[in-house]
Amino acid sequence: NAGVTQTPKFRVLKTGQSMTLLCAQDMNHEYMYWYRQDPGMGLRLIHYSVGEGTTAKGEVPDGYNVSRLKKQNFLLGLESAAPSQTSVYFCASLDRGSPNEQYFGPGTRLTVT
Amino acid sequence: DAKTTQPPSMDCAEGRAANLPCNHSTISGNEYVYWYRQIHSQGPQYIIHGLKNNETNEMASLIITEDRKSSTLILPHATLRDTAVYYCIVRVLTSGGSNYKLTFGKGTLLTVNP
Repeated sequence: NAGVTQTPKFRVLKTGQSMTLLCAQDMNHEYMYWYRQDPGMGLRLIHYSVGEGTTAKGEVPDGYNVSRLKKQNFLLGLESAAPSQTSVYFCASLDRGSPNEQYFGPGTRLTVT
Repeated sequence: DAKTTQPPSMDCAEGRAANLPCNHSTISGNEYVYWYRQIHSQGPQYIIHGLKNNETNEMASLIITEDRKSSTLILPHATLRDTAVYYCIVRVLTSGGSNYKLTFGKGTLLTVNP
């Protein structure tokens, strides 16, 4: 079991560029989440999904879009990157049948210049 | 979800018990207390959770006061690898329609010293 994996690990974007972050989990979890973490802060929820084909907004959704076309993948898109989106992005998944533990990926460090 | 208050930082000597406090005075009857930790630059890791009884697992113990307004996470024999930010989170655990999302504060930076 690889658990939760994230691609890429690091990325530098120029303002206005677009990119997609990929989260994949091999645990057959129904729920998936995207968080961002700024220096010295806790994680903030961007978007989440309770199942294939469904997504919902979290605490800080502006500037991001998501898609969950396959149960094992949750994509986070930045259509026009801004310096304020410089952050570390974490993906997580959760088993609806045992919802006590969210499993987190290793993170993607994104810098927007 | 109820708000939690944690000290920003704590120190502990290696081999000693680390006791991390958390206040959650507005907790509701159906809200659980969860603890996660985040070792530098890694994704958070689940530690333990509880409702009102004390809980213990292979990683830690969780002591919840009788009025449930505060709790303490105990690492019985702290090691250098336990140096991390520890998050106390209060969350409703319900079935059917719940999104089970977590709300993270700034947590407590525990530094275990040799």
